Amino acid sequence: EVHLVESGGGLVQPGGSLRLSCAASGFSFGIYWMAWVRQAPGKGLEWVANINQDGSQKYHVASVEGRFTVSRDNAKNSLDLQMNSLRDEDSGVYYCVRDAGWYNCDCWGQGSLVTVSS
Amino acid sequence: DVVMTQSPLSLPVTPGQPASISCRSSQSLVHSDGSTYLYWFQQRPGQSPRRLIDKVSNRGSGVPDRFSGSGSGTDFTLKLSRVEAEDVGVYYCMQGTQWPPTFGQGTKVEIK
Repeated sequence: EVHLVESGGGLVQPGGSLRLSCAASGFSFGIYWMAWVRQAPGKGLEWVANINQDGSQKYHVASVEGRFTVSRDNAKNSLDLQMNSLRDEDSGVYYCVRDAGWYNCDCWGQGSLVTVSS
Repeated sequence: DVVMTQSPLSLPVTPGQPASISCRSSQSLVHSDGSTYLYWFQQRPGQSPRRLIDKVSNRGSGVPDRFSGSGSGTDFTLKLSRVEAEDVGVYYCMQGTQWPPTFGQGTKVEIK
């Protein structure tokens, strides 16, 4: 059974940094694109970033470009999201997602809550 | 970015009755490879999203056959043939044809 377990969320001040991690199990991690999708409190879903199988291709949406960096370690079956210069509007639940091709989000983690507040 | 517009945003339904959600895109979702990368997701209260439909009409593993997707170009529909209590939640369409992937605002389905 596929499992995606996020960790690393918490409360951080504006301008601060946080690193999210996602531990994957139950499937061949290294053959899938992976992604992060977020959801602001009480709001809809927003794509954040994705990364290809070997980590050589990384894409971030404009609102986080230059502040967030997605990475992966296939030896550890893990996906990370380094978030710097955090803003209030970055608050929300961050989901680790398996991409089965063409942004086909077929498996989602339980989410990790990030709160940016002074 | 491609804008995805769902309607209605709130949908009160009677158990056993059909329901339908519309999703329209600001640009055609037909990719140059001929495929249409339009997905539907369900998010039950307090849970993570779950994929229901991929590429317009393909039901995911374990998705009940009362869910069906249809449409083409810029107009898409998710239909529930007979709503059940467990179908309560928010439904999102999403396009993956153009970067960045974008979601609709969500349609909240609730029981009357």
